[in-house]
Amino acid sequence: GAVVSQHPSWVICKSGTSVKIECRSLDFQATTMFWYRQFPKQSLMLMATSNEGSKATYEQGVEKDKFLINHASLTLSTLTVTSAHPEDSSFYICSAPSLAGDQETQYFGPGTRLLVL
Amino acid sequence: KNQVEQSPQSLIILEGKNCTLQCNYTVSPFSNLRWYKQDTGRGPVSLTIMTFSENTKSNGRYTATLDADTKQSSLHITASQLSDSASYICVVSAGGSGGGADGLTFGKGTHLIIQP
Repeated sequence: GAVVSQHPSWVICKSGTSVKIECRSLDFQATTMFWYRQFPKQSLMLMATSNEGSKATYEQGVEKDKFLINHASLTLSTLTVTSAHPEDSSFYICSAPSLAGDQETQYFGPGTRLLVL
Repeated sequence: KNQVEQSPQSLIILEGKNCTLQCNYTVSPFSNLRWYKQDTGRGPVSLTIMTFSENTKSNGRYTATLDADTKQSSLHITASQLSDSASYICVVSAGGSGGGADGLTFGKGTHLIIQP
């Protein structure tokens, strides 16, 4: 089946620094990828849609200047958390769509846990 | 507003026992319903996907059912194993979304703990 990877799997940083998270589709191409954040015992919350070759589209309430998204190729999207603060600490997950049988489904990465001190 | 409600919020059962998780949704127009398993600190992994015309689908010890009339789905786990301990998330896709995540409505999940 389709595999999506994320790097790093966890990161600890100081407040005010920027952190880049990579999302890769390993065995398929994805013109769109999606970024979510998840707080403990909560559901995934869609943050933005990453579009290869064009600007990302952000969900309401998500600061585009805070969470920079770059879809550099058909297999790579990056999320950069700029000037991170402790409230940005969360679990960040990406997904990419691919066909499962005759249904398009989302394949999720393993997630990146961010802790901002 | 599209919503997905899951119950119970958490569940503890003994190893070897069966259990059933519930998912009720108000998503329109309906396209498909998926159950995902999410281990702690990991991304969700797809278990089953069902369209409007499908009533049941199995994946090993996992069996999902769908009643599109009552807008309810269940996930039955048979002969539970310690490795089944995880969160189980019901995700409903709205028609016309083309499979995009912006057309997905996520439930909050059921946190399942299997005790030896």
